[in-house]
Amino acid sequence: DSGVTQTPKHLITATGQRVTLRCSPRSGDLSVYWYQQSLDQGLQFLIQYYNGEERAKGNILERFSAQQFPDLHSELNLSSLELGDSALYFCASSPSVGLAGYTQYFGPGTRLTVL
Amino acid sequence: GQQLNQSPQSMFIQEGEDVSMNCTSSSIFNTWLWYKQDPGEGPVLLIALYKAGELTSNGRLTAQFGITRKDSFLNISASIPSDVGIYFCAGRNSGNTPLVFGKGTRLSVIA
Repeated sequence: DSGVTQTPKHLITATGQRVTLRCSPRSGDLSVYWYQQSLDQGLQFLIQYYNGEERAKGNILERFSAQQFPDLHSELNLSSLELGDSALYFCASSPSVGLAGYTQYFGPGTRLTVL
Repeated sequence: GQQLNQSPQSMFIQEGEDVSMNCTSSSIFNTWLWYKQDPGEGPVLLIALYKAGELTSNGRLTAQFGITRKDSFLNISASIPSDVGIYFCAGRNSGNTPLVFGKGTRLSVIA
């Protein structure tokens, strides 16, 4: 158990809908990262937050947005969903100091299926 | 963007055999990480490497941070059935930059 929690585990919805994925980082970790993993694809970085502020952006679609709250949990919002958005979505967190800050610990993921 | 080339893409080995896989990058990294992912689960951190030339072990797993800082290797000795999964390498330039992942090596172990 990495200490990172994600809910829900599975999500099935229809095209055009909007969903919210939730992540709680490990205790004490200030950084949260979101990744998308499609079938037979590697992990694609979407966005990073550090202590409530956006720190880096990857290949995140305009239909997607995220935020990190004062209690450090993060939410990834996906709107106007398309079939191609079906994927595993992972959250990761990392410590804030020292060399350990270079590592990331992943949650169990949310499997999104868009029908 | 940065690309990591991970090889081989897949491996079929007999239980008890040793395994080697590697990752190369077109640019320098300051950190190399190796993860294992089981189907439908999140990647689990196996080994973290922070210095060029560093050799680190975790049980039957050994990983090395290449001297050029553009490559890393993971070896698994005496493979067992629970080693089955996808192994990902990842590199990072600094504590504030996102990880760049390889496409993974899918390992199958034949008992």
